[in-house]
Amino acid sequence: AQSVAQPEDQVNVAEGNPLTVKCTYSVSGNPYLFWYVQYPNRGLQFLLKYITGDNLVKGSYGFEAEFNKSQTSFHLKKPSALVSDSALYFCAVRDLFNKLTFGTGTQLKVEL
Amino acid sequence: DADVTQTPRNRITKTGKRIMLECSQTKGHDRMYWYRQDPGLGLRLIYYSFDVKDINKGEISDGYSVSRQAQAKFSLSLESAIPNQTALYFCATRGGSGDTQYFGPGTRLTVL
Repeated sequence: AQSVAQPEDQVNVAEGNPLTVKCTYSVSGNPYLFWYVQYPNRGLQFLLKYITGDNLVKGSYGFEAEFNKSQTSFHLKKPSALVSDSALYFCAVRDLFNKLTFGTGTQLKVEL
Repeated sequence: DADVTQTPRNRITKTGKRIMLECSQTKGHDRMYWYRQDPGLGLRLIYYSFDVKDINKGEISDGYSVSRQAQAKFSLSLESAIPNQTALYFCATRGGSGDTQYFGPGTRLTVL
């Protein structure tokens, strides 16, 4: 069975500093990987995905993610964090039947 | 995402009551999903549907049922609500040839 691990429940970063939200996965076959963001009292918004191709994927709001097959990781990154980036971030992997398995989420807090 | 709507947005009910959560979409997608979100557990799949005549159980379908009334509508029912069904419920859609699921704003359900 496929699985996703987000090892950090919370990540704190100062505004203007780079941020990384970690994700590792386990899946049979080629991984289809996603990042979603959830703002308070809102649904999940799609940020970016990796299907194939370049290991560095660029997404919405200046976010990017690096796919590393040997480390089975798909870490979310942003060069310069904003206070408005504070939200709950979910990593997900898709199986052969197109069902998503989500990680438990990482709360990002960006402080002034 | 305004293309996927959920009603009601908030609901408080009592143990043993029947309740229906509704999801509508204008994205023209054929695939629809119901998830529940619990703190620290991420999102878990309850049911999914690839078209009006195709309904499938997810990982936590016990205590729930669904109805796909039309391509654009997918309802989730709790026949006899219990307190551990208190959660945030999300509907999502996906186009047949697409990879990405798009989520509604969620319904916060409290069972007393």
